[in-house]
Amino acid sequence: DAKTTQPTSMDCAEGRAANLPCNHSTISGNEYVYWYRQIHSQGPQYIIHGLKNNETNEMASLIITEDRKSSTLILPHATLRDTAVYYCIVRVGFGSRLTFGEGTQLTVNP
Amino acid sequence: NAGVTQTPKFRVLKTGQSMTLLCAQDMNHEYMYWYRQDPGMGLRLIHYSVGEGTTAKGEVPDGYNVSRLKKQNFLLGLESAAPSQTSVYFCASSPGVAADVTEAFFGQGTRLTVV
Repeated sequence: DAKTTQPTSMDCAEGRAANLPCNHSTISGNEYVYWYRQIHSQGPQYIIHGLKNNETNEMASLIITEDRKSSTLILPHATLRDTAVYYCIVRVGFGSRLTFGEGTQLTVNP
Repeated sequence: NAGVTQTPKFRVLKTGQSMTLLCAQDMNHEYMYWYRQDPGMGLRLIHYSVGEGTTAKGEVPDGYNVSRLKKQNFLLGLESAAPSQTSVYFCASSPGVAADVTEAFFGQGTRLTVV
């Protein structure tokens, strides 16, 4: 699985968009980009995933660059409850391993 | 809708004792995983299983054994606990090969302290 690089921490004002970047320059053609988050030591929660195209669901949007070497998770209107560690993971869609890095600590401030 | 259930939630062991952590899922998922998370760090994969009767090593398998005798259960065993195994353990499951439904569901964790 390709290695990912994320900033250690980020801050965002409540109500504003939170944009979390992820670099995955060694991604292979059959590898998907997944995002999970972990709120205060709870079990991680799936957010979104994508292969080539941008994706949107009720939680977030995922923007993947055309060369697929980086992506951005967007929380359009961050709330205090979005404060969490966000993990960017690259893996094959049907792969059996899900490998976590250190993630980004997002703090949403009032 | 229980999802992924871990038992127990908390445990204190003495060095050298053994124990088994149980993970149960009710979603008929093929894949199951065991992770550990040390303070301030990300999750590290211990062992995983791609189906009933199969297991494989992850990043940090030493000191642990696993079994998947039934599809819905994945057991993690510590034969002789060491203080270095003090951690929070997470179990997860995922559906399997269909690429568009491969999100993993996690349990709430087991906090293990070895003294």
